[in-house]
Amino acid sequence: DAGVIQSPRHEVTEMGQEVTLRCKPISGHDYLFWYRQTMMRGLELLIYFNNNVPIDDSGMPEDRFSAKMPNASFSTLKIQPSEPRDSAVYFCASSGKSNQPQHFGDGTRLSIL
Amino acid sequence: AQKVTQAQTEISVVEKEDVTLDCVYETRDTTYYLFWYKQPPSGELVFLIRRNSFDEQNEISGRYSWNFQKSTSSFNFTITASQVVDSAVYFCALVDFGDDKIIFGKGTRLHILP
Repeated sequence: DAGVIQSPRHEVTEMGQEVTLRCKPISGHDYLFWYRQTMMRGLELLIYFNNNVPIDDSGMPEDRFSAKMPNASFSTLKIQPSEPRDSAVYFCASSGKSNQPQHFGDGTRLSIL
Repeated sequence: AQKVTQAQTEISVVEKEDVTLDCVYETRDTTYYLFWYKQPPSGELVFLIRRNSFDEQNEISGRYSWNFQKSTSSFNFTITASQVVDSAVYFCALVDFGDDKIIFGKGTRLHILP
């Protein structure tokens, strides 16, 4: 079975540019989560969706960040404009039901120059 | 409030030694779930185990074992006869029943030296 698929795996761009990260969850999973991981702050939950509806976006750092889930098989996390402090590894995860294990994608390593 | 504490930031052991990773959690709920995840140097996060609060039986999977003790709010992870491939960051996590968000600990970086 295919796991969670994220693209791109690596992204290097200059500050001020728009960045779009993509995620395809495991088929049949109701929940989708976006995380950011840095050395300083560890693993942070940014936003999560249930049945394509955003439930909690309290972790989104600021208005430059936005996320959408137009259908059950696709989600995007967008940063516009990007800044060097956004450099991190961004993970997408999905789970079948509440309290079930989350399965993570391989992550997108984002570097903003 | 929920909290997961992994007091060991970094551990180094020589290959074939046993090693235990500590995890202490806080929650007001009586029903909750505990997890362990592994993050190898390649970077992906791999689910290892989920345990619910009503099941205090210890679990063994090959060289891995987990000791859940509600009396001390601990869910420790032991690797027996460690191998270099066990080198990774290990995260303990907690979610209350009915909650969707997992609370992760800061992780323990484990180095297995050849």
